[in-house]
Amino acid sequence: NAGVTQTPKFQVLKTGQSMTLQCAQDMNHNSMYWYRQDPGMGLRLIYYSASEGTTDKGEVPNGYNVSRLNKREFSLRLESAAPSQTSVYFCASSEYQPDTQYFGPGTRLTVL
Amino acid sequence: KQEVTQIPAALSVPEGENLVLNCSFTDSAIYNLQWFRQDPGKGLTSLLLIQSSQREQTSGRLNASLDKSSGRSTLYIAASQPGDSATYLCAVLGGSEKLVFGKGTKLTVNP
Repeated sequence: NAGVTQTPKFQVLKTGQSMTLQCAQDMNHNSMYWYRQDPGMGLRLIYYSASEGTTDKGEVPNGYNVSRLNKREFSLRLESAAPSQTSVYFCASSEYQPDTQYFGPGTRLTVL
Repeated sequence: KQEVTQIPAALSVPEGENLVLNCSFTDSAIYNLQWFRQDPGKGLTSLLLIQSSQREQTSGRLNASLDKSSGRSTLYIAASQPGDSATYLCAVLGGSEKLVFGKGTKLTVNP
């Protein structure tokens, strides 16, 4: 039972490049989330998916898009990366909203 | 807008000491409050979840309390150990159904 997995673990991009962060959970959870964590800012919600087929904006959605591919997978896309998107990105899932959230190990992204 | 504050930002204690971490929130209309642990370079591990109707939750040496009316929660760690060294995060789930996190308390337990 792997829980929540994220790929890649580390990534370096140049300004303007695009990339997709992948997240998968094997707990049959309905809700999934993407957060970013920055020093001095805490964790902030980017987007979430309350159930398969739905997505909603969180606190800091600008510059990101998401896709809930199926019940297991929730991806985060940066279309044109900017240095301000340098951060650690966490994916999480929960059985329902509101409920305990389980977090993945994170992706450390640097945009030069 | 919900705001969550954790004090102190950092805490260093000798092994064996009992300690309390504090969390305060501005909007008392919450569904639940969670305490997480984060080790350096790692994800978050859920420690305790307190529903809005509950006053406290216990797991081993950890005890979390919730006073919704005053907008406060405490995490009590008994007989601290070096393995407890980590950053502890408090998060509240409110009417927006989104978790709002505090910035955390970095705990160091010295052998």
